[in-house]
Amino acid sequence: QLQLQESGPGLVKPSETLSLTCTVSGGSISSSSYYWGWVRQPPGKGLEWIGSIYYSGSTYYNPSLKSRVTISVDTSKNQFSLKLTSVTAADTAVYYCARLPSPTGSNWYFDLWGRGTLVTVSS
Amino acid sequence: SYDLTQPPSVSVSPGQTASITCSGDKLGGKYACWYQQKPGQSPVLVIYQDNKRPSGIPERFSGSNSGNTATLTISGTQAMDEADYYCQAWDTSTVVFGGGTKLTVL
Repeated sequence: QLQLQESGPGLVKPSETLSLTCTVSGGSISSSSYYWGWVRQPPGKGLEWIGSIYYSGSTYYNPSLKSRVTISVDTSKNQFSLKLTSVTAADTAVYYCARLPSPTGSNWYFDLWGRGTLVTVSS
Repeated sequence: SYDLTQPPSVSVSPGQTASITCSGDKLGGKYACWYQQKPGQSPVLVIYQDNKRPSGIPERFSGSNSGNTATLTISGTQAMDEADYYCQAWDTSTVVFGGGTKLTVL
């Protein structure tokens, strides 16, 4: 059974870069059947899409975060990663990695989620 | 940017039908999906492609999408269905989530 696991520092200082990795186990990240993505949720608030990536490296980003976000994939490690630069307290959130069955047209949805990891931005 | 609007809260009595709406411009022309999230847990997909249920999701969950509104319907609502529900769609290369609806079963 495929599982996703987020990992990375739980505390990041303001103005620094948030870096997280999602490890995919029980299946291959190189499957042509899926995209992979990051979603975050500030404490007590709703879900916000950050971006998504295909194993080939093709990416889509949330326009509101695009200038600060980089998502990359490492097929040799079966991982994909998130980097968010110049963080502020507003970036404090639970960060989830998730899987998207290969989208067609507007049919994008996340069918499998990691457990999430809380990242706090504070000095 | 594209916006999806959900009511902040919906209440339902056990055994009754709960309906949660999600509104967006011409949403019926796109696919909508729904997630359930219980406190401290990750979201779970309960409806995709407007009205399809993933394996393991009870039949009491159903969805529809027409015009500007997608609707998640829970028939015979149970106490275990109390959770936050989020709609989601795709527009102009962007994934968009609704603000979420807290479903209270009382």
